Amino acid sequence: GAGVSQTPSNKVTEKGKYVELRCDPISGHTALYWYRQSLGQGPEFLIYFQGTGAADDSGLPNDRFFAVRPEGSVSTLKIQRTERGDSAVYLCASSSGGNTEAFFGQGTRLTVV
Amino acid sequence: GENVEQHPSTLSVQEGDSAVIKCTYSDSASNYFPWYKQELGKGPQLIIDIRSNVGEKKDQRIAVTLNKTAKHFSLHITETQPEDSAVYFCAASNPGRGSTLGRLYFGRGTQLTVWP
Repeated sequence: GAGVSQTPSNKVTEKGKYVELRCDPISGHTALYWYRQSLGQGPEFLIYFQGTGAADDSGLPNDRFFAVRPEGSVSTLKIQRTERGDSAVYLCASSSGGNTEAFFGQGTRLTVV
Repeated sequence: GENVEQHPSTLSVQEGDSAVIKCTYSDSASNYFPWYKQELGKGPQLIIDIRSNVGEKKDQRIAVTLNKTAKHFSLHITETQPEDSAVYFCAASNPGRGSTLGRLYFGRGTQLTVWP
């Protein structure tokens, strides 16, 4: 596609449930990033993939969060045992390499009730 | 790690006036400074960026200045229009220190409102 696509655009889940958020990067982009944006804040880095491997996962807040990119294209962010504090907009970005600018998707708004 | 501070948090201007948003950063090794515009319900959109080997960059009504000594950079929007109303984020990155350009540290954002 022309831009980074994220699905779903909105997700409401109950506390304790498992959720998956999907990111389709710009075609051909090898680098993929996940960020989390809480209300009134700037995006905070979660994890960076170069190809299929996670090159930097230092932003993941705890072991309930996990992300994969098995074929080096689509990525899935997985959150186990969701908590109300996980409510935020989850943004995905991609770039054509480590030294090029990143382009963001529209985000997935996750609400944990 | 890097800490980016952004001011003001809100800014209201009359159409046609100029708007200035300022950011400071803490890591002297940061060398890439993008600015993003985020409209309601959308993801951040890159509007201009600057690297540490230049002090100023312009693109039509938008300009960014960088003072590496003071660890300070600013966004200038001239002849503002109502469609400039959005949240603006500054960010910093150090792609050289085993990291990448997309590993960004963001400020908290400025809500710009342009009144017609």
